[in-house]
Amino acid sequence: HVQLQESGPGLVKPSETLSLTCSVSGGSINNYYWTWIRQSPGKGLEWIGYVYSSGSTTYHPSFKSRVAISVDTSKNQVSLRLSSVTAADTAVYFCARQLGISVWLDSWGQGTLVSVSS
Amino acid sequence: QSVLTQPPSASGTPGQRVTISCSGSTSNIGTNSVFWYQLLPGTAPKLLIFRSDERPSGVPDRFSGSRSGTSASLAISGLRSEDEADYYCAAWDDNMTGPVFGGGTKLTVL
Repeated sequence: HVQLQESGPGLVKPSETLSLTCSVSGGSINNYYWTWIRQSPGKGLEWIGYVYSSGSTTYHPSFKSRVAISVDTSKNQVSLRLSSVTAADTAVYFCARQLGISVWLDSWGQGTLVSVSS
Repeated sequence: QSVLTQPPSASGTPGQRVTISCSGSTSNIGTNSVFWYQLLPGTAPKLLIFRSDERPSGVPDRFSGSRSGTSASLAISGLRSEDEADYYCAAWDDNMTGPVFGGGTKLTVL
């Protein structure tokens, strides 16, 4: 039973870069897609992007200019970097395992709250 | 503004049946399967329905999904207090070539 755990700073300053790590245990990162989704306060879920274990990525058009998602298969980790953050990026960030190119997200982390404030 | 439209809230009493709707367009629900997720504060979101009407193992058969045209719905029968949560629909969008979600429905068990 695969388990995912997000980690990273809970507070980021405006204009800086948000960096999060998703640690995967109980299973391999290989041959799967891994996605990042966020939930802003009082709002719905928003897809950010996904990465395949080979490293190929697909991003939401709204984030494309400032997002980078990567995998480290040796550490069984997936990373998210979001640059030039503003208060609008304050959200709970989730990582999830994605089955194929679909919305089939069969395992999720609990999420981590990131606040953007000076 | 979410791409998929859900009612912001729903409610029912224990034992009742409630239905949550999800409306989209031809580029998402009209063409692709719908998935439903349950979110409880502080816990990992849970997949309830995949491929519009299938349940993962471990999900009670009180939960059922359906899709017709550009709309979908999640039905919960025999409502229980532990069903009080936020529910989200999701589908692949061919225009965006990525997932889109509904705004979520907060279910209250009265």
